[in-house]
Amino acid sequence: GAGVSQSPSNKVTEKGKDVELRCDPISGHTALYWYRQSLGQGLEFLIYFQGNSAPDKSGLPSDRFSAERTGGSVSTLTIQRTQQEDSAVYLCASSFAGRETQYFGPGTRLLVL
Amino acid sequence: KQEVTQIPAALSVPEGENLVLNCSFTDSAIYNLQWFRQDPGKGLTSLLLIQSSQREQTSGRLNASLDKSSGRSTLYIAASQPGDSATYLCAVNSITGANNLFFGTGTRLTVIP
Repeated sequence: GAGVSQSPSNKVTEKGKDVELRCDPISGHTALYWYRQSLGQGLEFLIYFQGNSAPDKSGLPSDRFSAERTGGSVSTLTIQRTQQEDSAVYLCASSFAGRETQYFGPGTRLLVL
Repeated sequence: KQEVTQIPAALSVPEGENLVLNCSFTDSAIYNLQWFRQDPGKGLTSLLLIQSSQREQTSGRLNASLDKSSGRSTLYIAASQPGDSATYLCAVNSITGANNLFFGTGTRLTVIP
């Protein structure tokens, strides 16, 4: 079946602009996660959605970052007033339920000039 | 905060050799541990998930072990092949906090034909 998909695959933007990154999880998966992978650093957790519960935003690095998940499926990660340090690969993952195997999308490579 | 360490950071082996990748974590209160591989420019592929109550999991030429009390896991790859060349990531799901994974920085494996 279809895996996790993300769009765009690559995004180049200018400092100060807003960007939106999209994630389509595996159908039927109730849990959705966003992670960031920066050059020279490991993967860091950003935000977690579980069903209709309020998201866990404990990993968001600043209030410029926000995410929503509409209809319990597609999720959008928005970065406002992008900075050069936001350049990274943004990975989305989904799982059937919390605490189960997470399946990752191919990521969006963001470059802020 | 959970910290995950992987040693070595990079490893080169001749084709056909058996090898072991190591992962350690600081907080033994985990729900499960997951091993992934990441190919250059790609997302993560789940290899094995070990529940905290399990000692090991096997899939083909891969065997992952877990010693929760000592905070260690190993990934054993038998009869390595050039196609095994990738970065291998270990990630733990801690009992406390969100359902996110805490990742190590990975071991970059090169299997030489």
